[in-house]
Amino acid sequence: DIQMTQSPSSLSASVGDRVTITCRASQILSIYLNWYQQKPGRAPKLLIYGASNLQSGVPSRFTGSGSGTDFALTISTLQPEDFATYYCQQSYSSPPTFGQGTKLEIK
Amino acid sequence: EVQLVESGGGLIKPGGSLTLSCAASGFTVTNAWMTWVRQAPGKGLEWIGRFKSKTDGGTIDYAAPVKGRFSISRDDSKNTLYLQMKSLKTEDTAVYYCTTEVVGDEPGDWYFDLWGRGTLVTVSS
Repeated sequence: DIQMTQSPSSLSASVGDRVTITCRASQILSIYLNWYQQKPGRAPKLLIYGASNLQSGVPSRFTGSGSGTDFALTISTLQPEDFATYYCQQSYSSPPTFGQGTKLEIK
Repeated sequence: EVQLVESGGGLIKPGGSLTLSCAASGFTVTNAWMTWVRQAPGKGLEWIGRFKSKTDGGTIDYAAPVKGRFSISRDDSKNTLYLQMKSLKTEDTAVYYCTTEVVGDEPGDWYFDLWGRGTLVTVSS
């Protein structure tokens, strides 16, 4: 199985900050990497698919980048509603696997 | 409205069995790739298995930790996906989500799209 490692595991930031979460895969994924946001008690929500494609309805302050084994999710200007846990997920091969999550907290 | 609604969770003793349901509305499960994903309390997301659409062969795949114990099925007349769980272990305690996959033209070109709200399964004596 492909192992996905996110960093950091947790992050404290302030409204208005720019933050970047990284995701590293144990094998080359090409661009087959997706990002999800999950808030407490809620199901995950797709943000980015195919490494850099913004899902419809997702604010443009979310940007995905990378290819191969190294990927990043950047939030350009943090808003109060962005404080959540973020997961990367590879769709390159089965079984699909997720990173361990990055919890973004308010400083 | 397009939605998924899971049900059937609860408290079950180790070694027991439980069947979860995922009722779909606004689309036809026959034509969708349907997946179960679980999340243990305070932990990350884990893929359990998927049921491919009828046009893509209708095959079913399982994750190694549940293969042989869990079974995914579909009732097209009820537009519902099921997850039958047997020989449950304490480590199966989790919120179980039903989700759809949007599939593109390339093998890796897919993602989880529509999610239900989940149903909690607690395995404890």
